[in-house]
Amino acid sequence: KAGVTQTPRYLIKTRGQQVTLSCSPISGHRSVSWYQQTPGQGLQFLFEYFSETQRNKGNFPGRFSGRQFSNSRSEMNVSTLELGDSALYLCASSFFGEASYNEQFFGPGTRLTVL
Amino acid sequence: EDQVTQSPEALRLQEGESSSLNCSYTVSGLRGLFWYRQDPGKGPEFLFTLYSAGEEKEKERLKATLTKKESFLHITAPKPEDSATYLCAVQARSSGGYQKVTFGTGTKLQVIP
Repeated sequence: KAGVTQTPRYLIKTRGQQVTLSCSPISGHRSVSWYQQTPGQGLQFLFEYFSETQRNKGNFPGRFSGRQFSNSRSEMNVSTLELGDSALYLCASSFFGEASYNEQFFGPGTRLTVL
Repeated sequence: EDQVTQSPEALRLQEGESSSLNCSYTVSGLRGLFWYRQDPGKGPEFLFTLYSAGEEKEKERLKATLTKKESFLHITAPKPEDSATYLCAVQARSSGGYQKVTFGTGTKLQVIP
């Protein structure tokens, strides 16, 4: 069974630009969550999508947005990039049923560097 | 607000020297506690899920336990390949009724041959 894939793996942008990251979850998984990981803050929750709907959102500015497609693939967009947005962006998928407690499986991440 | 605190931040062990990592948490409506292992430059790798106090799970040299306030990851006779950052996370109900996961900042383990 293929794991979670993320593209691109590495990205270099300059301040003010925007970026789109992509995530393909494990086949059959309907929930996709995004996290930002930095050395100082650890893993910070961005948002979660389930069946094309954003169900939960972390404390990030509106410059961070996302969406999920009918095949469960998800994209994350960051507009007007700032130096502080440099981080490893991780996508995690889980099956998630209403009455179940599902562990998340992570992709390898996209390393974003903002210059 | 849900909080997860891991200690120590870093741990250096000799090969074969057993030890424990701690994860203390405050959360309303705990639905599950997860342990992950993360190698440099990679995404976290799932290890265990614990659902209720008193539960224990084992995998090779690792054993995870859970109480009402904390979880321990015991490492027995570690090997250099166990070197990694170990992350703890809790899953709780959000105000919207859906899953919300909060991660600790991790314990960086180094096992010296």
